[in-house]
Amino acid sequence: DGGITQSPKYLFRKEGQNVTLSCEQNLNHDAMYWYRQDPGQGLRLIYYSQIVNDFQKGDIAEGYSVSREKKESFPLTVTSAQKNPTAFYLCASSHQGNTEAFFGQGTRLTVV
Amino acid sequence: DAKTTQPPSMDCAEGRAANLPCNHSTISGNEYVYWYRQIHSQGPQYIIHGLKNNETNEMASLIITEDRKSSTLILPHATLRDTAVYYCIVRVSGSSGDKLTFGTGTRLAVRP
Repeated sequence: DGGITQSPKYLFRKEGQNVTLSCEQNLNHDAMYWYRQDPGQGLRLIYYSQIVNDFQKGDIAEGYSVSREKKESFPLTVTSAQKNPTAFYLCASSHQGNTEAFFGQGTRLTVV
Repeated sequence: DAKTTQPPSMDCAEGRAANLPCNHSTISGNEYVYWYRQIHSQGPQYIIHGLKNNETNEMASLIITEDRKSSTLILPHATLRDTAVYYCIVRVSGSSGDKLTFGTGTRLAVRP
C-alpha cells in the first residue's frame, strides 16, 4: 500500500543520548516535513526538504538534525543538545505545489 | 509568514452543521488556505484547501471571503466522529520550498 510510515511508534531513551526517528514514504513525493507536538499544543515545524540532498530549518530546528539522501527517506535525529526532547513527532510528505500533505502516525519519544 | 487565528474551542450538536472560522489577514495573493484535523494521538488528516473560490468535497465545504482575510470550514452534518482538533493553515511558498505552518487549532466537540 502507498503511504508514509514512521517507526517506531513509541521510543524511550536516556537523557544525553542521540536518537534517530525514521520516516519513509512510497508516494513519490518530493517534499517532506518534520513536526513536533507537545501536549495540548499545535504542530511546530522542525525541518523540511523539497528535494534530495537539500533541507531547510523550520521554526524550532535547534537540537535536531536531518538528512535527505534518498527521496523516500527523511530521518530526524534528536541530539543531546535538544533541551526538552520528550514529545510527539510527526512526519509528512507532499508533491511540490499546492497539493495535500500526508502525515504519518507519529512517534512518541520519551526521554528519561 | 502568514499567521492564522482560530477560536480555541467550539461545540455543536450531532446532525447540525459545524462552522469553524479562521482569520488569516496577512495572507498573500498566491497563498492557499488548507484545513486539516487531528484526532487524539494520530497524524493530521487533510480535509480541503482553496485559494479564493469556495470549495466543496465529500468531507466539507470551504468558504473564503472576497478579501481572503478569513475563511470558514463547514461540516454540513456533524457526527460524533468529527470530534477533533481542526487546523487552518496557510501554505507559504518560498525560494526554499513550501512551508506548512500550523497554529493551535480549534477543538471541536460534537455532542449527542
